Amino acid sequence: GESVGLHLPTLSVQEGDNSIINCAYSNSASDYFIWYKQESGKGPQFIIDIRSNMDKRQGQRVTVLLNKTVKHLSLQIAATQPGDSAVYFCAELPQGSGGYQKVTFGTGTKLQVIP
Amino acid sequence: SAVISQKPSRDICQRGTSLTIQCQVDSQVTMMFWYRQQPGQSLTLIATANQGSEATYESGFVIDKFPISRPNLTFSTLTVSNMSPEDSSIYLCSVSGQLNYGYTFGSGTRLTVV
Repeated sequence: GESVGLHLPTLSVQEGDNSIINCAYSNSASDYFIWYKQESGKGPQFIIDIRSNMDKRQGQRVTVLLNKTVKHLSLQIAATQPGDSAVYFCAELPQGSGGYQKVTFGTGTKLQVIP
Repeated sequence: SAVISQKPSRDICQRGTSLTIQCQVDSQVTMMFWYRQQPGQSLTLIATANQGSEATYESGFVIDKFPISRPNLTFSTLTVSNMSPEDSSIYLCSVSGQLNYGYTFGSGTRLTVV
């Protein structure tokens, strides 16, 4: 299908290597952060999240790091596989009293895994 | 998490016409949203679909261009009205249950206006 990553920054990684995708967020009041993966022709898929009271959270093969001092978020993928090829978006939500808060998406990074 | 069915998955439309996109969720959800993703870009929130009341639009989006319905807690529609080639985008439905911050997305509708 048609790629959504035509104009996005691209990270090329050899299969088996670790990938690090970075994101600078804009709102110092953001309280909650999510990484999404979007494969070609599909909607974004939730990968992992982290709250602002944490600086690291691990999932299966993925780790998210949060540096609130410099408003920086990163997604680390261990032992990158061809199936990891996709566009990755970070998203931020501001603090709130509960219920819905507006999600703001970052610009996205296209990950290309080289077999 | 909720399962979202979005229709149509893609369409090619003539300029000046309108297209209605449907979003059906397999469970009741508190919040439903509509996003636009232009080619090679990130997602932009169009509006929040409110059940039983008018949708809440983001800056740059208006009801006359993007009328939204939400008759119940499992269904919403987005209409792209009087289309022009600039409306060619992927339109995505997203939902969130109360206190569920893992927002779920449909597979999107790929719209091409010619």
